[in-house]
Amino acid sequence: EIVLTQSPATLSLSPGERATLSCRASQSVDNYLAWYQQKPGQAPRLLIYDASNRATGIPARFSGSGSGTDFTLTISSLEPEDFAVYYCQQRSNWPPTFGQGTKLEIK
Amino acid sequence: QVRLVESGGGVVQPERSLRLSCAASGFTFTSYGMHWVRQAPGKGLEWVAVIWSDGSNKYYADSVKGRFTISRDISKNTLFLQMNSLRAEDTAVYYCARDQRGGTHSSGWFDPWGQGTLVTVSS
Repeated sequence: EIVLTQSPATLSLSPGERATLSCRASQSVDNYLAWYQQKPGQAPRLLIYDASNRATGIPARFSGSGSGTDFTLTISSLEPEDFAVYYCQQRSNWPPTFGQGTKLEIK
Repeated sequence: QVRLVESGGGVVQPERSLRLSCAASGFTFTSYGMHWVRQAPGKGLEWVAVIWSDGSNKYYADSVKGRFTISRDISKNTLFLQMNSLRAEDTAVYYCARDQRGGTHSSGWFDPWGQGTLVTVSS
């Protein structure tokens, strides 16, 4: 089973700042990585799939990059509604696995 | 629009059974794989099971294999998760999620998700 490690565990930033979240895989997942956003009391929402493709309806300020074992989710300019928990997920090897999450909080 | 509505959660004693349902609407149910994903209180996400769009294959996480069964009723556009021999560690919010892309094989991405149903296993 592939283990995904996200860093940092918590990121404190202000609206308008740039956020950079990392996800590292225990072995190569090629580009088979996704990012999800989860707000309190809500279900997760797919943001990015195949490492860099934005899902339907996702704003352009969200972007993904990376391949192999190291991946990044970037939010170019934080909006108030972006403060949430973010999870990465791989589907290169079955079963699909998730990272432990990064909490993006308001500074 | 696509809508997934889970039901059937509740409090259940260890070793008992529970069946979750997920009513789907807004898309062709038989064209998409369907998943269950769970989240223990205050914890991260864990994939549980998938049924392929044609119903031909079902796969499970090792943690639930032999105890949980995923199925569907295509006449009612409803996905099920039969959970037997429940344990305290099965306590979680259970989400159903559609495969992001239609087709026989699962894309492995989950989009969208239902609102979830809470299962609490406790004596």
